Amino acid sequence: AQSVAQPEDQVNVAEGNPLTVKCTYSVSGNPYLFWYVQYPNRGLQFLLKYITGDNLVKGSYGFEAEFNKSQTSFHLKKPSALVSDSALYFCAVRDIAGNTPLVFGKGTRLSVIA
Amino acid sequence: DGGITQSPKYLFRKEGQNVTLSCEQNLNHDAMYWYRQDPGQGLRLIYYSQIVNDFQKGDIAEGYSVSREKKESFPLTVTSAQKNPTAFYLCASSGQLNTGELFFGEGSRLTVL
Repeated sequence: AQSVAQPEDQVNVAEGNPLTVKCTYSVSGNPYLFWYVQYPNRGLQFLLKYITGDNLVKGSYGFEAEFNKSQTSFHLKKPSALVSDSALYFCAVRDIAGNTPLVFGKGTRLSVIA
Repeated sequence: DGGITQSPKYLFRKEGQNVTLSCEQNLNHDAMYWYRQDPGQGLRLIYYSQIVNDFQKGDIAEGYSVSREKKESFPLTVTSAQKNPTAFYLCASSGQLNTGELFFGEGSRLTVL
């Protein structure tokens, strides 16, 4: 079975500071990993994904994520946070070997304070 | 513009009534999905379909039904058997089941009065 954990319900960061939103996963084989962002009363928007290759993945709006196989993590990062980054962030995983849909974490609410 | 259209955006229902949520996509995607979102619980999969005339139950299918008669359309019916239907419902599609990212609609908020 595949699963995702986002250990923090809420992350607060000052504008201009670096931000990290944590994600760990569990799959039986190798993972495909995704990050999405959701603004209030909207659908989810794709930020970035790791399929294979370079462990550091760059995505939309200046976000990046680092795949760490030994720690089974895929933390989302941004060097300098903006107030407009405040939103709900979801990590998702799928097992490469399986033929099953994405499994999502419970989400982390990011609040960037001016 | 290409994308996924969900309707209605807001819907109120009396207890005991069935209601159908519409989801249409013009992305030519094979796979479509319905998720339910509740505060603090993330997204939970209700049903998904990889191809026309075929669909599979997700983690919380009880009280819901779907059909996939056309590639573009994947409507979700919330039946009276669903014990707690008040939620935000999200439809998504993807071009490839395994590696493709999901494209989401704007969601439908259902409130049972």
